[in-house]
Amino acid sequence: DAGITQSPRHKVTETGTPVTLRCHQTENHRYMYWYRQDPGHGLRLIHYSYGVKDTDKGEVSDGYSVSRSKTEDFLLTLESATSSQTSVYFCAISESLSEGSPLHFGNGTRLTVT
Amino acid sequence: RKEVEQDPGPFNVPEGATVAFNCTYSNSASQSFFWYRQDCRKEPKLLMSVYSSGNEDGRFTAQLNRASQYISLLIRDSKLSDSATYLCVVNIGGGSQGNLIFGKGTKLSVKP
Repeated sequence: DAGITQSPRHKVTETGTPVTLRCHQTENHRYMYWYRQDPGHGLRLIHYSYGVKDTDKGEVSDGYSVSRSKTEDFLLTLESATSSQTSVYFCAISESLSEGSPLHFGNGTRLTVT
Repeated sequence: RKEVEQDPGPFNVPEGATVAFNCTYSNSASQSFFWYRQDCRKEPKLLMSVYSSGNEDGRFTAQLNRASQYISLLIRDSKLSDSATYLCVVNIGGGSQGNLIFGKGTKLSVKP
């Protein structure tokens, strides 16, 4: 399995508080992604990164920011959490940008915003 | 029309059965296609890529029909361990992994 670690695995937080989720990889892959998964929806891309300090928005980026200061770490921040951000968050990595290059996912973070 | 559509199931089949899932996509410019498997409360894992000529990996066969814009996954001789949700994934092109579109998944339950 690809070396991807997400932390925390579970978190409960209150509306309006900031939350940061961490993704750490040991594969030295250039590309990293944050997805959310909700019932009734496919996985949806929040933000992705194509290198240190290089990031771009995905389909559902509102309310989220990201940072990548090192190849191995990709942080997802909810500046002011809302109940609609209750979800399962998956980090993923890929080796290349070629369209056939698969994604490898971390084991997810379950976030509950009360 | 949604970009990637799958029958949500659940498909309840006995061990040893053959089961097939279809997935339709709306963007005719889609370039590459995948099936991922996701166990309950786990992360998705790549099952197989789908090639134009069709491809097989053991009991699993994937097919692509560009004219009708669908891909399929056939599982022969189902095992209990095949119980999972199967995600259809389509890359709509543009040279970015940001263009991966995930289906909502088809749930398979294999019973003894």
